[in-house]
Amino acid sequence: KQEVTQIPAALSVPEGENLVLNCSFTDSAIYNLQWFRQDPGKGLTSLLLIQSSQREQTSGRLNASLDKSSGRSTLYIAASQPGDSATYLCAASTDSWGKLQFGAGTQVVVTP
Amino acid sequence: NAGVTQTPKFQVLKTGQSMTLQCAQDMNHEYMSWYRQDPGMGLRLIHYSVGAGITDQGEVPNGYNVSRSTTEDFPLRLLSAAPSQTSVYFCAIRLHGLAETNEQFFGPGTRLTVL
Repeated sequence: KQEVTQIPAALSVPEGENLVLNCSFTDSAIYNLQWFRQDPGKGLTSLLLIQSSQREQTSGRLNASLDKSSGRSTLYIAASQPGDSATYLCAASTDSWGKLQFGAGTQVVVTP
Repeated sequence: NAGVTQTPKFQVLKTGQSMTLQCAQDMNHEYMSWYRQDPGMGLRLIHYSVGAGITDQGEVPNGYNVSRSTTEDFPLRLLSAAPSQTSVYFCAIRLHGLAETNEQFFGPGTRLTVL
């Protein structure tokens, strides 16, 4: 069974610093890996999807990498802002229909 | 939320009561699924559907029932609510195409409390 882990569970950084969020998974046979943002009391917002054949994906200040051989994905957020404060979740797609296995998330606080 | 609506937003039930959480989408997506989110844990898959008339169990299906009579709707039924079912419930849809390229989009959630 695929296990997805996100460490640390919480992170606090000063504004302007780059954020590095980690996601590890136990089974390298994934179809894709998706990063989400969740604000308190809200739903999940899709940030990036990396296909299994890709090494990285970029969108604005966000960059996500994928290394299937080591079972790791990393989300980089450049020049963090207080508005980036949220919980970030990663999820691995484990079959062709897209069943997702989620990590527990990393709660990020960016202090002004 | 990519055209995914969930109702109600909040619900309080007493143990043993039944209810249906509604999920609807207006974009003709085949794949719909239900997840629950509990504190300190990632989202866990309850049930999913790959098209009208086709459903299957996820990781935590016990106590829940689903059906998919139309493409647009995928209701989740709690047959006899228990305090352990207190959670936030999310419905998700998946766009068409190859599995590798498919993003999933989530509804705003239903916050359920069972007393």
